[in-house]
Amino acid sequence: AAGVIQSPRHLIKEKRETATLKCYPIPRHDTVYWYQQGPGQDPQFLISFYEKMQSDKGSIPDRFSAQQFSDYHSELNMSSLELGDSALYFCASRWGTGDSPLHFGNGTRLTVT
Amino acid sequence: AQTVTQSQPEMSVQEAETVTLSCTYDTSESNYYLFWYKQPPSRQMILVIRQEAYKQQNATENRFSVNFQKAAKSFSLKISDSQLGDTAMYFCAFPDRGSTLGRLYFGRGTQLTVWP
Repeated sequence: AAGVIQSPRHLIKEKRETATLKCYPIPRHDTVYWYQQGPGQDPQFLISFYEKMQSDKGSIPDRFSAQQFSDYHSELNMSSLELGDSALYFCASRWGTGDSPLHFGNGTRLTVT
Repeated sequence: AQTVTQSQPEMSVQEAETVTLSCTYDTSESNYYLFWYKQPPSRQMILVIRQEAYKQQNATENRFSVNFQKAAKSFSLKISDSQLGDTAMYFCAFPDRGSTLGRLYFGRGTQLTVWP
Protein backbone atom coordinates (compact mmCIF):
# COMPACT_ATOMS: atom_id res chain seq x y z
CA ALA A 1 0.00 0.00 0.00
CA ALA A 2 1.14 3.53 -0.73
CA GLY A 3 2.54 5.42 2.22
CA VAL A 4 3.28 9.01 3.06
CA ILE A 5 6.38 10.12 1.19
CA GLN A 6 8.70 12.74 2.60
CA SER A 7 11.70 14.28 0.96
CA PRO A 8 14.51 14.66 1.51
CA ARG A 9 15.32 12.02 4.12
CA HIS A 10 18.25 13.97 5.43
CA LEU A 11 19.12 17.64 5.14
CA ILE A 12 22.09 19.57 6.43
CA LYS A 13 21.95 23.33 6.51
CA GLU A 14 23.91 26.12 8.10
CA LYS A 15 22.55 28.70 10.47
CA ARG A 16 20.48 31.42 8.81
CA GLU A 17 19.91 29.32 5.71
CA THR A 18 16.53 28.23 4.36
CA ALA A 19 15.13 24.72 4.06
CA THR A 20 12.11 23.27 2.29
CA LEU A 21 10.63 19.93 3.30
CA LYS A 22 8.15 18.13 1.10
CA CYS A 23 5.35 15.73 1.92
CA TYR A 24 3.23 13.62 -0.40
CA PRO A 25 0.23 12.16 1.44
CA ILE A 26 -1.37 8.83 0.83
CA PRO A 27 -3.64 9.04 -2.24
CA ARG A 28 -7.14 10.32 -1.38
CA HIS A 29 -5.96 11.64 1.97
CA ASP A 30 -6.97 15.28 2.17
CA THR A 31 -5.58 16.20 5.58
CA VAL A 32 -1.90 16.78 6.28
CA TYR A 33 -0.11 17.39 9.57
CA TRP A 34 3.44 18.48 10.31
CA TYR A 35 5.19 17.45 13.52
CA GLN A 36 8.62 18.27 14.91
CA GLN A 37 10.46 15.77 17.08
CA GLY A 38 13.58 16.92 18.89
CA PRO A 39 16.15 14.42 20.22
CA GLY A 40 14.58 12.30 22.94
CA GLN A 41 11.31 14.22 22.69
CA ASP A 42 7.79 13.32 21.73
CA PRO A 43 6.47 14.76 18.47
CA GLN A 44 5.17 18.29 18.71
CA PHE A 45 2.42 19.50 16.41
CA LEU A 46 3.35 22.35 14.09
CA ILE A 47 0.55 22.91 11.60
CA SER A 48 -2.18 21.13 9.66
CA PHE A 49 -4.12 21.50 6.42
CA TYR A 50 -7.44 20.26 5.21
CA GLU A 51 -8.44 20.56 1.59
CA LYS A 52 -5.55 22.92 0.90
CA MET A 53 -6.51 25.33 3.66
CA GLN A 54 -4.58 25.81 6.86
CA SER A 55 -6.73 24.41 9.59
CA ASP A 56 -4.79 24.37 12.83
CA LYS A 57 -1.59 25.84 14.12
CA GLY A 58 0.57 24.62 16.95
CA SER A 59 3.99 25.64 18.18
CA ILE A 60 5.28 26.70 14.78
CA PRO A 61 7.79 29.57 14.77
CA ASP A 62 7.03 32.60 12.65
CA ARG A 63 10.16 31.74 10.64
CA PHE A 64 8.34 28.66 9.36
CA SER A 65 5.54 28.58 6.85
CA ALA A 66 3.69 25.81 5.09
CA GLN A 67 1.11 25.22 2.46
CA GLN A 68 -0.85 22.46 0.81
CA PHE A 69 -1.04 22.43 -2.96
CA SER A 70 -3.79 21.45 -5.40
CA ASP A 71 -2.41 17.90 -5.61
CA TYR A 72 -2.56 17.73 -1.79
CA HIS A 73 1.17 17.59 -1.31
CA SER A 74 2.51 19.93 1.32
CA GLU A 75 5.71 21.87 1.85
CA LEU A 76 7.20 23.20 5.05
CA ASN A 77 9.46 26.20 4.50
CA MET A 78 11.92 27.09 7.21
CA SER A 79 13.93 30.31 7.08
CA SER A 80 16.67 31.84 9.22
CA LEU A 81 17.50 28.41 10.53
CA GLU A 82 18.75 28.10 14.08
CA LEU A 83 20.69 25.31 15.76
CA GLY A 84 17.57 24.47 17.78
CA ASP A 85 15.69 23.66 14.59
CA SER A 86 17.70 20.46 14.27
CA ALA A 87 15.10 17.74 14.61
CA LEU A 88 13.14 15.03 12.86
CA TYR A 89 10.22 16.50 10.95
CA PHE A 90 7.28 14.23 10.33
CA CYS A 91 4.46 14.64 7.92
CA ALA A 92 1.27 12.65 8.51
CA SER A 93 -1.90 12.31 6.52
CA ARG A 94 -5.37 10.93 6.86
CA TRP A 95 -8.69 11.09 5.13
CA GLY A 96 -11.22 13.56 6.43
CA THR A 97 -11.50 15.24 9.78
CA GLY A 98 -12.74 12.42 11.93
CA ASP A 99 -10.84 10.09 14.19
CA SER A 100 -9.15 7.98 11.57
CA PRO A 101 -5.52 7.30 12.49
CA LEU A 102 -2.69 9.42 11.21
CA HIS A 103 -0.28 7.72 8.84
CA PHE A 104 3.22 9.05 9.20
CA GLY A 105 5.99 9.39 6.68
CA ASN A 106 9.54 8.33 7.47
CA GLY A 107 10.48 11.85 8.43
CA THR A 108 13.12 14.33 7.33
CA ARG A 109 16.10 14.67 9.60
CA LEU A 110 17.25 18.27 9.55
CA THR A 111 20.63 19.14 10.97
CA VAL A 112 21.56 22.79 11.34
CA THR A 113 25.26 23.49 11.82
CA ALA B 1 -7.09 20.54 27.41
CA GLN B 2 -6.24 16.92 27.03
CA THR B 3 -3.11 15.43 28.55
CA VAL B 4 -1.42 12.10 27.99
CA THR B 5 0.89 10.58 30.59
CA GLN B 6 3.25 7.68 30.18
CA SER B 7 4.89 7.08 33.54
CA GLN B 8 7.46 4.50 32.41
CA PRO B 9 10.36 6.13 30.53
CA GLU B 10 12.05 2.77 29.98
CA MET B 11 11.13 -0.87 30.17
CA SER B 12 12.83 -4.09 29.24
CA VAL B 13 11.56 -7.60 28.68
CA GLN B 14 13.02 -10.90 27.66
CA GLU B 15 12.14 -12.35 24.31
CA ALA B 16 8.88 -14.38 24.35
CA GLU B 17 7.71 -12.75 27.56
CA THR B 18 4.77 -10.40 28.01
CA VAL B 19 5.08 -6.73 28.84
CA THR B 20 2.54 -4.01 29.58
CA LEU B 21 3.09 -0.33 28.90
CA SER B 22 0.90 2.11 30.76
CA CYS B 23 -0.81 5.28 29.62
CA THR B 24 -3.28 7.56 31.33
CA TYR B 25 -5.05 10.51 29.85
CA ASP B 26 -7.35 13.27 30.83
CA THR B 27 -10.35 14.44 28.85
CA SER B 28 -13.84 15.74 29.29
CA GLU B 29 -15.00 14.08 26.09
CA SER B 30 -17.16 10.96 26.16
CA ASN B 31 -16.50 9.67 22.67
CA TYR B 32 -12.97 9.54 21.34
CA TYR B 33 -10.20 7.36 20.00
CA LEU B 34 -6.87 6.41 21.51
CA PHE B 35 -3.79 5.21 19.67
CA TRP B 36 -0.49 3.50 20.33
CA TYR B 37 2.35 4.25 17.93
CA LYS B 38 5.79 2.66 17.91
CA GLN B 39 8.99 4.28 16.76
CA PRO B 40 11.81 1.79 16.14
CA PRO B 41 15.44 2.84 15.73
CA SER B 42 14.66 3.67 12.10
CA ARG B 43 12.58 6.56 13.59
CA GLN B 44 9.56 5.73 11.46
CA MET B 45 6.27 6.29 13.32
CA ILE B 46 4.10 3.20 13.00
CA LEU B 47 0.53 2.76 14.15
CA VAL B 48 0.25 -0.23 16.46
CA ILE B 49 -3.36 -0.24 17.59
CA ARG B 50 -6.33 2.03 18.20
CA GLN B 51 -9.24 1.91 20.60
CA GLU B 52 -12.64 3.50 20.25
CA ALA B 53 -13.88 4.79 23.59
CA TYR B 54 -17.49 3.83 22.98
CA LYS B 55 -16.52 0.19 22.47
CA GLN B 56 -16.29 -1.86 25.63
CA GLN B 57 -14.29 -4.56 23.91
CA ASN B 58 -10.54 -4.10 24.10
CA ALA B 59 -8.81 -3.81 20.75
CA THR B 60 -6.45 -6.57 19.64
CA GLU B 61 -3.96 -6.73 16.79
CA ASN B 62 -2.10 -10.03 16.73
CA ARG B 63 0.31 -9.96 19.68
CA PHE B 64 -0.75 -6.45 20.69
CA SER B 65 -3.78 -5.77 22.83
CA VAL B 66 -5.02 -2.95 25.00
CA ASN B 67 -6.56 -2.79 28.42
CA PHE B 68 -8.90 0.16 28.16
CA GLN B 69 -10.43 1.38 31.41
CA LYS B 70 -12.59 4.33 30.45
CA ALA B 71 -13.64 5.31 33.95
CA ALA B 72 -10.05 5.27 35.11
CA LYS B 73 -8.88 6.95 31.87
CA SER B 74 -6.28 4.27 31.43
CA PHE B 75 -5.10 2.81 28.15
CA SER B 76 -2.34 0.26 28.55
CA LEU B 77 -0.67 -1.74 25.79
CA LYS B 78 0.13 -5.40 26.28
CA ILE B 79 2.67 -7.06 24.05
CA SER B 80 2.60 -10.84 24.17
CA ASP B 81 5.39 -13.14 23.01
CA SER B 82 7.78 -10.20 22.74
CA GLN B 83 10.15 -10.24 19.81
CA LEU B 84 13.48 -8.51 19.28
CA GLY B 85 11.83 -6.42 16.58
CA ASP B 86 9.47 -4.96 19.15
CA THR B 87 12.36 -2.90 20.52
CA ALA B 88 11.17 0.67 19.99
CA MET B 89 9.86 3.82 21.60
CA TYR B 90 6.14 3.48 22.19
CA PHE B 91 3.91 6.53 22.24
CA CYS B 92 0.38 6.74 23.50
CA ALA B 93 -1.56 9.32 21.50
CA PHE B 94 -4.87 11.10 21.93
CA PRO B 95 -6.63 13.37 19.45
CA ASP B 96 -7.26 16.93 20.52
CA ARG B 97 -10.96 17.22 19.74
CA GLY B 98 -10.78 20.87 20.62
CA SER B 99 -8.77 21.48 17.48
CA THR B 100 -10.29 21.58 14.05
CA LEU B 101 -8.75 18.39 12.78
CA GLY B 102 -8.11 16.42 15.94
CA ARG B 103 -4.35 16.74 15.99
CA LEU B 104 -2.64 14.17 18.17
CA TYR B 105 -1.23 14.75 21.60
CA PHE B 106 1.57 12.31 22.36
CA GLY B 107 2.82 11.05 25.68
CA ARG B 108 6.52 11.33 26.43
CA GLY B 109 7.01 7.75 25.30
CA THR B 110 8.27 4.50 26.79
CA GLN B 111 11.50 3.02 25.45
CA LEU B 112 11.01 -0.74 25.31
CA THR B 113 14.02 -3.00 24.92
CA VAL B 114 13.52 -6.68 24.16
CA TRP B 115 16.58 -8.76 24.94
CA PRO B 116 17.37 -12.33 23.92
